[in-house]
Amino acid sequence: ETVMTQSPTSMSTSIGERVTLNCKASQSVGINVDWYQQTPGQSPKLLIYGASNRHTGVPDRFTGSGFGRDFTLTISNMEAEDLAVYYCLQYGSIPYTFGAGTKLELK
Amino acid sequence: EVKLLESGGGLVQPGGSLRLSCAASGFTFADFYMSWIRQSPGKAPEWLSFIRNKANSYTTEYNPSVKGRFTISRDDTQNVLYLQMNTLRAEDTAIYYCAKHGWWAPFDYWGQGVMVTVSS
Repeated sequence: ETVMTQSPTSMSTSIGERVTLNCKASQSVGINVDWYQQTPGQSPKLLIYGASNRHTGVPDRFTGSGFGRDFTLTISNMEAEDLAVYYCLQYGSIPYTFGAGTKLELK
Repeated sequence: EVKLLESGGGLVQPGGSLRLSCAASGFTFADFYMSWIRQSPGKAPEWLSFIRNKANSYTTEYNPSVKGRFTISRDDTQNVLYLQMNTLRAEDTAIYYCAKHGWWAPFDYWGQGVMVTVSS
């Protein structure tokens, strides 16, 4: 099973800040990584697929990058609505596996 | 608009069974792979299973954590996805989501989820 390790576990941010979230795979998964955003009481929502492609309707302040084992999600200009938990997912091998998540909080 | 609506959750005793349903609308259900994912309170989601479309012979994949106890199936005539869950354990307690796969990647749309509680 491919283990996805996300860092940091949580992060205190400010509105307008640039935020970088990390995800490291225990083995190469190519570009088969998605990023999801989950706010309290809601189901996860797809932000990025194929490591770097924004899903329909996702603001361009969200950028994904990476290949192989190391992936990042960058929020260029943090907004209040971006306070959430972010999960990475690998689908390069079965079972598909999620990271443990990064929680973004306000300073 | 893509809509996925899960049902069939509830309280079940350890060792019991439950069948979840997911009613799909807003897209051509028969064309897409579909998955079940669960999330225990305060934890990350866990992918459980997916079923391919007719063009790929409705073949299935499972997470080893549920293989042999859970069975995924679909009815393309009714646009419904199912998850039969047997021999349930306390650790199966979670919110269960169905999710649609996209053309390029999994889980482009999720349902709102249904709660399953396994307890005596």
